[in-house]
Amino acid sequence: RKEVEQDPGPFNVPEGATVAFNCTYSNSASQSFFWYRQDCRKEPKLLMSVYSSGNEDGRFTAQLNRASQYISLLIRDSKLSDSATYLCVVNANNDMRFGAGTRLTVKP
Amino acid sequence: DAGITQSPRHKVTETGTPVTLRCHQTENHRYMYWYRQDPGHGLRLIHYSYGVKDTDKGEVSDGYSVSRSKTEDFLLTLESATSSQTSVYFCAISDPGQVNQPQHFGDGTRLSIL
Repeated sequence: RKEVEQDPGPFNVPEGATVAFNCTYSNSASQSFFWYRQDCRKEPKLLMSVYSSGNEDGRFTAQLNRASQYISLLIRDSKLSDSATYLCVVNANNDMRFGAGTRLTVKP
Repeated sequence: DAGITQSPRHKVTETGTPVTLRCHQTENHRYMYWYRQDPGHGLRLIHYSYGVKDTDKGEVSDGYSVSRSKTEDFLLTLESATSSQTSVYFCAISDPGQVNQPQHFGDGTRLSIL
């Protein structure tokens, strides 16, 4: 079993749609959590950290459920520019583990 | 953007040849990492460094070595490249002096071993 699992997608949604990505992790000692965005043939870039109480950054909302070892990312009012692969990342004692990513395509 | 430069950006070489990839940072961060990224896999850690001359193995370290003689430079060497090492390699840095610090990545090196 992979340490961090994500639905690979692809998710194809129209502009303006709301889309949610899920991620599960196996290491119960994990301490910090992140979502990264990766465009085609580019490096991963930090989208947002995920806090225990949940957090929001504009159209993006991240949630963490430690009991279920589950992280989510919600994107509201999708834009064409949101098309990318979204990586779930889990950190335990500075050992970062990456999901394989969920691919999102937003269409006009 | 974090000041991380990887070189070369692209390289094609033959099986059995040595290859060295360089990562240079201008952030004075203590921790540096080398990852490889392959289709269907998340980024997988090859080696990391927690200071000058201090390095340790990651998840997929076989066939790779690293060196860090200066804070700003972290080198990854494939002593005798194999076709299975064809991949995209990313360097990352972090400053774990604070809680919950994420890693920041360089632009990547596309390496093809023929």
